[in-house]
Amino acid sequence: GQQVMQIPQYQHVQEGEDFTTYCNSSTTLSNIQWYKQRPGGHPVFLIQLVKSGEVKKQKRLTFQFGEAKKNSSLHITATQTTDVGTYFCAGPIVYNTDKLIFGTGTRLQVFP
Amino acid sequence: DVKVTQSSRYLVKRTGEKVFLECVQDMDHENMFWYRQDPGLGLRLIYFSYDVKMKEKGDIPEGYSVSREKKERFSLILESASTNQTSMYLCASSLWFEKTSYEQYFGPGTRLTVT
Repeated sequence: GQQVMQIPQYQHVQEGEDFTTYCNSSTTLSNIQWYKQRPGGHPVFLIQLVKSGEVKKQKRLTFQFGEAKKNSSLHITATQTTDVGTYFCAGPIVYNTDKLIFGTGTRLQVFP
Repeated sequence: DVKVTQSSRYLVKRTGEKVFLECVQDMDHENMFWYRQDPGLGLRLIYFSYDVKMKEKGDIPEGYSVSREKKERFSLILESASTNQTSMYLCASSLWFEKTSYEQYFGPGTRLTVT
């Protein structure tokens, strides 16, 4: 069946260092969404990418959607302690439906 | 602001009990979802509803059923709770318009322990 893998599973960084998480799908995705879950919280939507090769920025966060629409990345520049949490990517189980399959997530820990 | 509420934050039930988890959203969203979240496994879809009385199975529907009698309310039912259903349960809702998927809004979650 369709799989969405994320690497790394965990990442510990010193505050100010950069961080990247990678998301790879076994099938082509119509779109990809990214969510952040703070410790003890629930997932919160960050962004959606739709176009092949699309790049979007939100302040220190840069999101990319691969040319083949099978992979994506989230890069955080100069991490802060407020970036702590688990980052999930998610893509539709079937092309252009609303049922998502979530990646396993990358847990980010930032040391001051 | 979209608000998704869940009936309980924490729940402890005994093996064999029937368990109801309720979810309410206030944004008139067509889609509602139930997920379970387990360490190392991420979020896995249990059931999905795209309209009142309509439902589709997700990845792990075994041992669960759902009910959607009103647009704003989506219930997850554990017919006979078992210890392997101990987990965090998350409800979500989203808009669906012209074959475009939109972001999902999650509730705070219910941590269910089955003893």
